[in-house]
Amino acid sequence: ETGVTQSPTHLIKTRGQQVTLRCSSQSGHNTVSWYQQALGQGPQFIFQYYREEENGRGNFPPRFSGLQFPNYSSELNVNALELDDSALYLCASSPQSSGANEQYFGPGTRLTVT
Amino acid sequence: AQSVTQLGSHVSVSEGALVLLRCNYSSSVPPYLFWYVQYPNQGLQLLLKYTSAATLVKGINGFEAEFKKSETSFHLTKPSAHMSDAAEYFCAVNNRGSTLGRLYFGRGTQLTVWP
Repeated sequence: ETGVTQSPTHLIKTRGQQVTLRCSSQSGHNTVSWYQQALGQGPQFIFQYYREEENGRGNFPPRFSGLQFPNYSSELNVNALELDDSALYLCASSPQSSGANEQYFGPGTRLTVT
Repeated sequence: AQSVTQLGSHVSVSEGALVLLRCNYSSSVPPYLFWYVQYPNQGLQLLLKYTSAATLVKGINGFEAEFKKSETSFHLTKPSAHMSDAAEYFCAVNNRGSTLGRLYFGRGTQLTVWP
């Protein structure tokens, strides 16, 4: 059974640029959530996708957007990058959209904005 | 919105000593509760979760946590620390009955284990 994978592992972008991060969910999981983890902080919920639809969103501006594909993989897009967007971005998948279900996390993508 | 408090951003113990990491939540309705561990440069790994009536939850690597409704707490313990336990630990909650699997995390506790 393949776990959650994310790509790329690291990347460096310049302020104002756009970035796309990718996530492949664990086999059999139809729900993907994205979290931002700033240095020294706990992860913060960005949004969740369930069966290709956005199922809920945290307190992040519209320049953070996402997609989920029929195979349940997902993308996180961030436009007009700001210095404060530098963080570890974590993707998590779960068997269904339910508060009781544990989420399985990928290794993350470390984004640095200069 | 949920609030999760982890008392102590850093905890240091000797190898073989008891590990106690504290977590308190804010909601009046007991949420689903989770503990995750994060090793350097890695994602989060689930240690254990509380979703039902059993208040003492056993997890992986010898960890366990006890849900105490009266104290709104879900502290993580391990009787004997091992060097490999050194990592950052996060307590997280999710609203009971929610169809949105949104986790609210504490700020984390860095555990150091001395030989």
